[in-house]
Amino acid sequence: QVHLVESGGGVVQPGRSLRLSCAASGYSFSTYGMHWVRQAPGKGLEWVALLRFDGTTTYYADSVKGRFTISRDTSKNTLHLQMDSLRVEDTAVYYCATGGGWLARYWGQGTLVTVSS
Amino acid sequence: EIVLTQSPGTLSLSPGERVTLSCRASQRVGNSYLAWYQQKPGQSPRLLIYDASSRATGIPDRFGGSGSGTDFTLTISRLEPEDFAVYYCQQYASSPLTFGGGTEVEIK
Repeated sequence: QVHLVESGGGVVQPGRSLRLSCAASGYSFSTYGMHWVRQAPGKGLEWVALLRFDGTTTYYADSVKGRFTISRDTSKNTLHLQMDSLRVEDTAVYYCATGGGWLARYWGQGTLVTVSS
Repeated sequence: EIVLTQSPGTLSLSPGERVTLSCRASQRVGNSYLAWYQQKPGQSPRLLIYDASSRATGIPDRFGGSGSGTDFTLTISRLEPEDFAVYYCQQYASSPLTFGGGTEVEIK
């Protein structure tokens, strides 16, 4: 079955960078598009970014456009989220998710990013 | 951007009751690409319904989705103790993908 495991979270100062990873298994990695979705403490879900199944196109929320980059390494079945110029408001649990088309059918357990001085 | 508004914000109910949750979109959701997720404290979201009315694998048939265009509904026919959680709708028809603010179903 589909299994997604996020890593790379931690505490970082405002303005610094962090790279998250999501290791995927249990399916053909290039079959589905992949998402990053975040959830600030005590808040709702916020979609962050999407990488099309064939890796050709990326989409971003306005709140992260120009600062975050979604990418993948097909040789390692791994999705990445490069987060630059981090802000306090980027503090959240970050989930990777995947599924048919743009549907987020399967989710990882999440990794916590805390942006604080 | 399609804005999704969920109502009510919180529902206080007893096991066995019927639940109806609403999700209203600011513009038409193409192809009814509307999903419902359940999230319990400390857990990842779980897909319940996709394409507005299709149940995801393993989801009990007490969960049902309906609607099209701008108005969508999640119905739980008879609340079980494990159904107390927060429910989110999401549209995946156009970028940016968006979530509703969530409805918490709490025990009365």
